[in-house]
Amino acid sequence: EPEVTQTPSHQVTQMGQEVILRCVPISNHLYFYWYRQILGQKVEFLVSFYNNEISEKSEIFDDQFSVERPDGSNFTLKIRSTKLEDSAMYFCASSEERYEQYFGPGTRLTVT
Amino acid sequence: AQSVAQPEDQVNVAEGNPLTVKCTYSVSGNPYLFWYVQYPNRGLQFLLKYITGDNLVKGSYGFEAEFNKSQTSFHLKKPSALVSDSALYFCAVRESGAGSYQLTFGKGTKLSVIP
Repeated sequence: EPEVTQTPSHQVTQMGQEVILRCVPISNHLYFYWYRQILGQKVEFLVSFYNNEISEKSEIFDDQFSVERPDGSNFTLKIRSTKLEDSAMYFCASSEERYEQYFGPGTRLTVT
Repeated sequence: AQSVAQPEDQVNVAEGNPLTVKCTYSVSGNPYLFWYVQYPNRGLQFLLKYITGDNLVKGSYGFEAEFNKSQTSFHLKKPSALVSDSALYFCAVRESGAGSYQLTFGKGTKLSVIP
């Protein structure tokens, strides 16, 4: 069964550094998403991406964040200058159409 | 704004007994509703969805959920719990026809099935 994959599984970085989280969505899916879950809190929507552009973003997704689909398979989330409060589990998801989204295993980002 | 409430942080049930995990939601229009399960060190795994039609929807691993519009609820159920069902369960909602695909999640309910 096709799955969304994410790398790395755990990323440790220092405050102020740039990080790139990588995702490979399910191959025939057209819609891509990033969510995050701060420890002990709800899963929160960050951004959705369709047809090579951002279709929707939340208040969390400020100028420090960007997304890119650099080729036909990868979907990345970049945080330009990480802050302590960016520490969270980041989930990538994809969907074939408008309904159920399929999630990857997540990347745990720790900012020190 | 859309929101989801899962009133129970934890549900304990004996193996073989029926289980219910509760979810209520709030959206401006009609809802699309989803249940996801998360096992340790794994991502969110899709279980089932309600889009339209029959209020009782069936999903993976014998789970089902009942949509109740008047009570704005979408409780997850299973007739006979297995120890392997022990996991974290998330209810999610988005508004149909709103042009937004973002899911809003509840805080999750930890299900423990006791042998």
